[in-house]
Amino acid sequence: DIVMSQSPLSLSVTPGQPASISCKSSQSLLHSDGNTYLYWSLQKPGQPPQLLIYQVSNRLSGVPDRFSGSGSGTDFTLKISRVEPEDVGVYYCMQTIQLPYTFGQGTKLEIK
Amino acid sequence: QVQLQESGPGLVKPSETLSLTCTVSGGSVSSYYWSWIRQPPGKGLEWIGYISISGSTNYNPSLKSRVTISVDTSKNQFSLNLSSVTAADTAVYYCARGRGALDWGQGILVTVSS
Repeated sequence: DIVMSQSPLSLSVTPGQPASISCKSSQSLLHSDGNTYLYWSLQKPGQPPQLLIYQVSNRLSGVPDRFSGSGSGTDFTLKISRVEPEDVGVYYCMQTIQLPYTFGQGTKLEIK
Repeated sequence: QVQLQESGPGLVKPSETLSLTCTVSGGSVSSYYWSWIRQPPGKGLEWIGYISISGSTNYNPSLKSRVTISVDTSKNQFSLNLSSVTAADTAVYYCARGRGALDWGQGILVTVSS
């Protein structure tokens, strides 16, 4: 199985400040079709996860542009340019290049 | 926008079969891949499996011998069956659209207990 490792596992950020979450995979997520199958989701307290970004850097419709994804191969980053109170929750990365699909452990974002 | 809603019993006895249904609205169950994902209380996410547009399935090997995912196009639903459950199967079960989980249901807590 591909192991997805996130860091940090928790972070506390002052509103208006940036935040960055790393996700590293044990194998490359670059497919022979040219796509990289890395996704980012946010699970707000008491809610199901919601997909934010697909294939490394593509924001879903309605996701604020303060969220951005980058990376390649085995090393990926989710950045929030200016954290807002509604961004609290647990962020997960996920790979769908190889079965079984696997998730990172999650990164809990709190507001200072 | 596609919406999903899980339904089924919230309590299942050990060794019995957990059966859940996901009702899809705002889209056809015949048009997408559909996934099941679970989350034990206070823990992270575990992918269970998916069913494709053609009806083929792929399951997590850790559950493969116990899992079946199927689609009922007449009801615009898809289902999860997990047999021989134990307390370790206690979790919130989510249905989702696509292999990348573009849309999620609200989730249903299933407790395995006698």
